[in-house]
Amino acid sequence: SAVISQKPSRDICQRGTSLTIQCQVDSQVTMMFWYRQQPGQSLTLIATANQGSEATYESGFVIDKFPISRPNLTFSTLTVSNMSPEDSSIYLCSVRQILSTDTQYFGPGTRLTVL
Amino acid sequence: DAKTTQPPSMDCAEGRAANLPCNHSTISGNEYVYWYRQIHSQGPQYIIHGLKNNETNEMASLIITEDRKSSTLILPHATLRDTAVYYCIVGRYGGATNKLIFGTGTLLAVQP
Repeated sequence: SAVISQKPSRDICQRGTSLTIQCQVDSQVTMMFWYRQQPGQSLTLIATANQGSEATYESGFVIDKFPISRPNLTFSTLTVSNMSPEDSSIYLCSVRQILSTDTQYFGPGTRLTVL
Repeated sequence: DAKTTQPPSMDCAEGRAANLPCNHSTISGNEYVYWYRQIHSQGPQYIIHGLKNNETNEMASLIITEDRKSSTLILPHATLRDTAVYYCIVGRYGGATNKLIFGTGTLLAVQP
C-alpha cells in the first residue's frame, strides 16, 4: 500500500487569503486526486492531478479557485485561493497505482477553517 | 459510473456480524464494486472490491448477487473500532480515466 502524508494537517485562515496543501507519497504512483469533504458531507472529487500538465477538474471546480500542481510522480499541491468561510472543509489527497492492484488510497486530510 | 444506494445508518451489537447492503442496479459489465470506510476525522480506508465472485480478505467478505445488482459487505465479528461510515462505490478497474465517486454511505454504529 502507499503511505500518503499531507501538510498542513489543519489550518485556520482569514477570508481572502490562499492556502497551499502539499501531498507526498512514499512511492511513485500513476494517478493522484484531490477531494473535498464539507462538514457532515461525503467526499467530492475536485480534480485529477496530471504530471507535467494541467489538472482535470470536475464539474463545479475551476483552476482559478483550486490551482493544482504535480511536478513528479510522488508529489502534488492543491491551493485554495481567495478563501471564504464556505471553503471550510477537509481536503484529501488520494493516489492510485493502475499498474498493480489498482487500489486507491487516501491521505489523512487537511482540515481547513476559514474565518 | 453507476449510482449506488445504501441505508443511511445501521446498528450492530459488538461481536456480531455486521451486514451492510448496497444496491447498484445500473452497474455495467466492466464495473467493479468497491467498499471503503471512514472512521471519524480520518481519510477513507480501502476494505475490499470485487467484480462478480464473492471475495474475502482479513477485514471483510463481499457477497455480490448473481445479477450483480446488489452486494453485501460482511464484517464477521464487529468491534467498537468498526464504527464508521461505509461507502459502496461502483467503478471501472484500471485505466487512466477511472476515478472513485463517493455516495452518502452508511453510518454503522457498533454498540457494546
